[in-house]
Amino acid sequence: KAGVTQTPRYLIKTRGQQVTLSCSPISGHRSVSWYQQTPGQGLQFLFEYFSETQRNKGNFPGRFSGRQFSNSRSEMNVSTLELGDSALYLCASSLESRNQPQHFGDGTRLSIL
Amino acid sequence: KNEVEQSPQNLTAQEGEFITINCSYSVGISALHWLQQHPGGGIVSLFMLSSGKKKHGRLIATINIQEKHSSLHITASHPRDSAVYICAVTGNQFYFGTGTSLTVIP
Repeated sequence: KAGVTQTPRYLIKTRGQQVTLSCSPISGHRSVSWYQQTPGQGLQFLFEYFSETQRNKGNFPGRFSGRQFSNSRSEMNVSTLELGDSALYLCASSLESRNQPQHFGDGTRLSIL
Repeated sequence: KNEVEQSPQNLTAQEGEFITINCSYSVGISALHWLQQHPGGGIVSLFMLSSGKKKHGRLIATINIQEKHSSLHITASHPRDSAVYICAVTGNQFYFGTGTSLTVIP
């Protein structure tokens, strides 16, 4: 069974640009969550999607958004990039909710110049 | 204010030692997760607990809901156990501890 796939693995952008990251969950998993990891703040929850609906959201500004498609694949978008957005962005999937074992992708490392 | 506190932050052990990592939380939770992260970023879910105790190989996780505390134990530690161990809880959100960096020396 294929694991969680995140693309791209690495990305370099400049301030003010926008970026879209993609996450393909394990087949059959309907819950997809996104996380940001930085050396200073550690892991932080961005949002969770289930059945194409955002179910929960962390404390991030509106520049961070996401969506989920009917095949459970999810995308995350960050607009007007800031230097502080440089981070490892991780996605995880589970069968139905965050209260089930999470399966993590390898992440997308985003660097802002 | 940190909703999840882990201790210790750093831990060095000799191969074969028994290791304990502690996690305390201050929010209401539905479940508690123990995660392992190796250098390079990949995260693996070790346990998900809502009560009691779970064991997988040399790893044991316990949770005390009344005291809002969980422990991760590694018996007969091995250098391949060297990693960052992260405690996370799910309630209204997903809250993470800052992690415990474990180094096991041969």
